Amino acid sequence: GQNIDQPTEMTATEGAIVQINCTYQTSGFNGLFWYQQHAGEAPTFLSYNVLDGLEEKGRFSSFLSRSKGYSYLLLKELQMKDSASYLCAVRDSNYQLIWGAGTKLIIKP
Amino acid sequence: SQTIHQWPATLVQPVGSPLSLECTVEGTSNPNLYWYRQAAGRGLQLLFYSVGIGQISSEVPQNLSASRPQDRQFILSSKKLLLSDSGFYLCAWSVGGEHQPQHFGDGTRLSIL
Repeated sequence: GQNIDQPTEMTATEGAIVQINCTYQTSGFNGLFWYQQHAGEAPTFLSYNVLDGLEEKGRFSSFLSRSKGYSYLLLKELQMKDSASYLCAVRDSNYQLIWGAGTKLIIKP
Repeated sequence: SQTIHQWPATLVQPVGSPLSLECTVEGTSNPNLYWYRQAAGRGLQLLFYSVGIGQISSEVPQNLSASRPQDRQFILSSKKLLLSDSGFYLCAWSVGGEHQPQHFGDGTRLSIL
């Protein structure tokens, strides 16, 4: 079967750095996406990785290792508004997105 | 720029009643369209997707159906709702190559009584 694993919940302090991990086992790989979802709202796109390495976008970076089936999302200079769930999704060999259950990130002052 | 509209935002329906949720996309042509359901604490479950008018692929057997009567309109329906149909329903669109992300509407929170 296909599986995406993320921690259920993480807590971090305002101004700090946090790394959210995602491991996947899917039938094929055609890219990995990270989305942010605030409570009660729709997911919004953050980043895309298809090749190994780090993609940086402002305070957010995403890393991919295809050989290890592993990605992480790195959030720097945390702000209270970063409190949200972060969803990892992998596009499989059929080009469909397989979604993780999400990591709820709680930011404390 | 592209926008997606999904309505209603919330809906409370009795068991056995019908359902119709609508989604429209503006500012793009021939988008791929998707219906997802998200249960509390769970990942997004793909229900239906469409690559063109009248073309619907179903991912999960259930009492729901989808239709795409126009290029940028996607409708999710049911003839008789079940308690298990409660959840957060999301419509999404994408265009272009495989690296292009899906973009979501605001969602409909459906409660079945």
